[in-house]
Amino acid sequence: NAGVTQTPKFQVLKTGQSMTLQCAQDMNHNSMYWYRQDPGMGLRLIYYSASEGTTDKGEVPNGYNVSRLNKREFSLRLESAAPSQTSVYFCASNGQGGEQYFGPGTRLTVT
Amino acid sequence: GENVEQHPSTLSVQEGDSAVIKCTYSDSASNYFPWYKQELGKRPQLIIDIRSNVGEKKDQRIAVTLNKTAKHFSLHITETQPEDSAVYFCAASDGYALNFGKGTSLLVTP
Repeated sequence: NAGVTQTPKFQVLKTGQSMTLQCAQDMNHNSMYWYRQDPGMGLRLIYYSASEGTTDKGEVPNGYNVSRLNKREFSLRLESAAPSQTSVYFCASNGQGGEQYFGPGTRLTVT
Repeated sequence: GENVEQHPSTLSVQEGDSAVIKCTYSDSASNYFPWYKQELGKRPQLIIDIRSNVGEKKDQRIAVTLNKTAKHFSLHITETQPEDSAVYFCAASDGYALNFGKGTSLLVTP
């Protein structure tokens, strides 16, 4: 039981490049989430998926797209990366009682 | 939407002392209040949570209290140890997504 996994762990992009962050969970959870974490800002919700086939915007969705590929996988795509998207990205999934389990994070730098 | 305020942003205590972190929330529909601990370079980890039908919950040296009327909840850590040093986040949820406070950096000095 690996819990929530994310790839890659680190990534450096040039402005304008695109990439997809991958997330998978093996806990049979319905809900999955993408957050970004910036110094002094806490964790801010980008997008979430309450169930397979549905996605909703969070607090900071601009510049991102998501895909809930199946119950296990929820990916986050940056179509045209900007320096303001330099951050640590965490994926999470929700347990039965609402508790969230986080992946190890992806540290993204956009130059 | 929900707004969660967390205080203080930094807290320094001596080993063995108690530490208290306070959060307020704005949405009366929020009914789940977890606390996360994040060590440097690691993922946030759930340490304790409380639901709106409970006023207090304890787990060894950690306790959380909730005042629904005043819309605030607090984390209490007793007999602090150096390994308690980390960033602590509170959050509030109405059942869909978590709204996080900005975090408290706790330093426990020997």
